[in-house]
Amino acid sequence: DSGVTQTPKHLITATGQRVTLRCSPRSGDLSVYWYQQSLDQGLQFLIQYYNGEERAKGNILERFSAQQFPDLHSELNLSSLELGDSALYFCASSVSGENNSPLHFGNGTRLTVT
Amino acid sequence: TQLLEQSPQFLSIQEGENLTVYCNSSSVFSSLQWYRQEPGEGPVLLVTVVTGGEVKKLKRLTFQFGDARKDSSLHITAAQPGDTGLYLCAGARGNKLVFGAGTILRVKS
Repeated sequence: DSGVTQTPKHLITATGQRVTLRCSPRSGDLSVYWYQQSLDQGLQFLIQYYNGEERAKGNILERFSAQQFPDLHSELNLSSLELGDSALYFCASSVSGENNSPLHFGNGTRLTVT
Repeated sequence: TQLLEQSPQFLSIQEGENLTVYCNSSSVFSSLQWYRQEPGEGPVLLVTVVTGGEVKKLKRLTFQFGDARKDSSLHITAAQPGDTGLYLCAGARGNKLVFGAGTILRVKS
């Protein structure tokens, strides 16, 4: 058990809809990362937060947004969903947020857009 | 094009065999990490290598970081069915951790 909790585990929704994915980091970790994993793209970095502030941005679409709250949990919001957004979305956390910090991953949210 | 190229993409072997998977790049990394991911779960960190030429051993797994810090390899001795999974390398690049596409390993009993 990594200590990182992601909810929900599965999400099925229709195109055009909006969903929110939730992540609670490991106790003591200040940084949260979001990754998207699909068969053709592998594990793609979306965004990182450290202690409530955005620290790094990857290939995150404008239709997607995220935030980290004062209690350090994070939410990833996906809107105007398209079929191609179907993927596994992983949250990870680390203590320092430095780029060589070990990441502790949750078990992901599997999003299916129909 | 992936910043980190992993090979082979897929490997299916019998229990007891040895294998090596590779992680290559044209870029220099300050460190490389190896993760293993099993179906339905998130990646789990196996090791971090930091120094060029560094070799780290984790039971039957041996990790090596290239002298120029552009590549790494993972060697598994006497593979077991429990080693089955997706092996991912990840490199620290700027302020991000970038992952390779991974090697899917299947060890048959």
